[in-house]
Amino acid sequence: DAMVIQNPRYQVTQFGKPVTLSCSQTLNHNVMYWYQQKSSQAPKLLFHYYDKDFNNEADTPDNFQSRRPNTSFCFLDIRSPGLGDAAMYLCATSRQGQQETQYFGPGTRLLVL
Amino acid sequence: AQTVTQSQPEMSVQEAETVTLSCTYDTSESDYYLFWYKQPPSRQMILVIRQEAYKQQNATENRFSVNFQKAAKSFSLKISDSQLGDAAMYFCGSGTYKYIFGTGTRLKVLA
Repeated sequence: DAMVIQNPRYQVTQFGKPVTLSCSQTLNHNVMYWYQQKSSQAPKLLFHYYDKDFNNEADTPDNFQSRRPNTSFCFLDIRSPGLGDAAMYLCATSRQGQQETQYFGPGTRLLVL
Repeated sequence: AQTVTQSQPEMSVQEAETVTLSCTYDTSESDYYLFWYKQPPSRQMILVIRQEAYKQQNATENRFSVNFQKAAKSFSLKISDSQLGDAAMYFCGSGTYKYIFGTGTRLKVLA
């Protein structure tokens, strides 16, 4: 089945130690998104790629970066994680022009020690 | 700025009964979509139903239907014949290719 895959599902890192979260998709969608979701809060968009074009949200901290080496993969890099970065990170995809529905992965829960 | 408001942090419904989850929104977009996503515990978000803002007819998807009041910027979700599997966090959202979500409503289904 076509899907959005996130690895790992759980990630533990140390304060200040760089960490990378991975997302892949078999849907061949041209738009990929990263959301941060803290406990009992709404998912908050960090940035998205429209094809190869990177679009950062205005309030996304500089600590967060992203890479999209090809259509299928997208990475979220947190350069120096702080305790406040502990959250669920959701990847989503959509095909622009096809009714805008976003398809979500299962998320990666990040714990910062 | 776009906003989505869900005023009910938690709702309960008896199995087989009907429940309505509320959502209001504000947007400056002229052409946009409205969504309800379901997020079961420790599982991924799944689209429940969506509505194109230019359509007057309310969307329906099996036991799920919406009441879309464009002038009032209201977009409520009705779940009929509630099932235990409907228990989840429900997020209302608005947008075009970028979404804004509300803070969610946790739905409990009582056997």
